[in-house]
Amino acid sequence: DGGITQSPKYLFRKEGQNVTLSCEQNLNHDAMYWYRQDPGQGLRLIYYSQIVNDFQKGDIAEGYSVSREKKESFPLTVTSAQKNPTAFYLCASSMGGLAFFGQGTRLTVV
Amino acid sequence: GQQLNQSPQSMFIQEGEDVSMNCTSSSIFNTWLWYKQEPGEGPVLLIALYKAGELTSNGRLTAQFGITRKDSFLNISASIPSDVGIYFCAGQPPTDSWGKLQFGAGTQVVVTP
Repeated sequence: DGGITQSPKYLFRKEGQNVTLSCEQNLNHDAMYWYRQDPGQGLRLIYYSQIVNDFQKGDIAEGYSVSREKKESFPLTVTSAQKNPTAFYLCASSMGGLAFFGQGTRLTVV
Repeated sequence: GQQLNQSPQSMFIQEGEDVSMNCTSSSIFNTWLWYKQEPGEGPVLLIALYKAGELTSNGRLTAQFGITRKDSFLNISASIPSDVGIYFCAGQPPTDSWGKLQFGAGTQVVVTP
């Protein structure tokens, strides 16, 4: 089936650790995005990529890093520099103005 | 970034009632999208609108692309318990033709029997 797959669904991180969230799509979309969602709030853009080997900071990029080595994959690393990483993270891909989301990863700092 | 004004923020309605929500912007958009998000899941695309004045339905959902290209409306008719969730609007500005969207903050819909 075509779609966007995020893994894992739940992730626990100790303070001071880096963690990487996976996002894979087989829709052949050029553009991919990472959003953060906090309880009761909308979506805030972390990073986006229009094409392989290129990506741009969104509104809240501090403490995060990404790579785009393959068209299908856009992993997000939450670094220890991110002071409040507990949130729901959503990956999306788009083409022609239509965006589709993965099922999300809930990250909790313990 | 989030530059769309979506209202209302939340709605508590009885089963069978109709629901209306809207999004407005100070700038024009080429595309308007409406999503539904259920707890713990990613948003699911409900309706896409591409032309000013366009009215599109998906079952009990109807959405319209405003004539000014600065707003959009979503209506849910005869609500049922499974309509519960957060509904988001999203718009694609002309300057981002490759697809970067702006999102509203969402409308939380709660349906009581």
